[in-house]
Amino acid sequence: DTEVTQTPKHLVMGMTNKKSLKCEQHMGHRAMYWYKQKAKKPPELMFVYSYEKLSINESVPSRFSPECPNSSLLNLHLHALQPEDSALYLCASSQVPSENSNQPQHFGDGTRLSIL
Amino acid sequence: SQQGEEDPQALSIQEGENATMNCSYKTSINNLQWYRQNSGRGLVHLILIRSNEREKHSGRLRVTLDTSKKSSSLLITASRAADTASYFCATDDDSWGKLQFGAGTQVVVTP
Repeated sequence: DTEVTQTPKHLVMGMTNKKSLKCEQHMGHRAMYWYKQKAKKPPELMFVYSYEKLSINESVPSRFSPECPNSSLLNLHLHALQPEDSALYLCASSQVPSENSNQPQHFGDGTRLSIL
Repeated sequence: SQQGEEDPQALSIQEGENATMNCSYKTSINNLQWYRQNSGRGLVHLILIRSNEREKHSGRLRVTLDTSKKSSSLLITASRAADTASYFCATDDDSWGKLQFGAGTQVVVTP
């Protein structure tokens, strides 16, 4: 079992749907991350939150909208996605890197997203 | 974007044998980390080595870091079928948590 919980585990949606991915951690981490991972590829960073504020957006299309409502929760709102957005979406958390260097990130098991 | 490369891309060994994989990177780093990913699961942190360290051990894992060559290696000794997974190196080169992952090595350990 991982300490970072992601729901749902699987999601199939049409290109006109709106859905949300959820991530929760109770390790007291104040940095949280979204990654996208295509099959047989490494994870690619999408967003970084630090103290519930967006600190990094890696030029992600606006059809992906992150939200950090509190220190334990991270959401990724999806709207008008494209078939190429089908992937495994991973959430991770860590201590804030600028305050605690040399700390690992803790990953959830991801949401496998399929866009029809 | 990927920081560097890993080799080999795939490795098939028998239980009890050692597995070695290498990672190269391009820029100066704060630390280098190794993660394991089982099929359909998230990444599990294995070991972190700081830029001023040269070797680190954790159980059956041994990691080396050569900053002059910008390379690292991960050795798994006495491998087990449960070690079957993809292994990724990741470099941390700033204070913002932006990990740069290598392409990964897929390891298969057969009984």
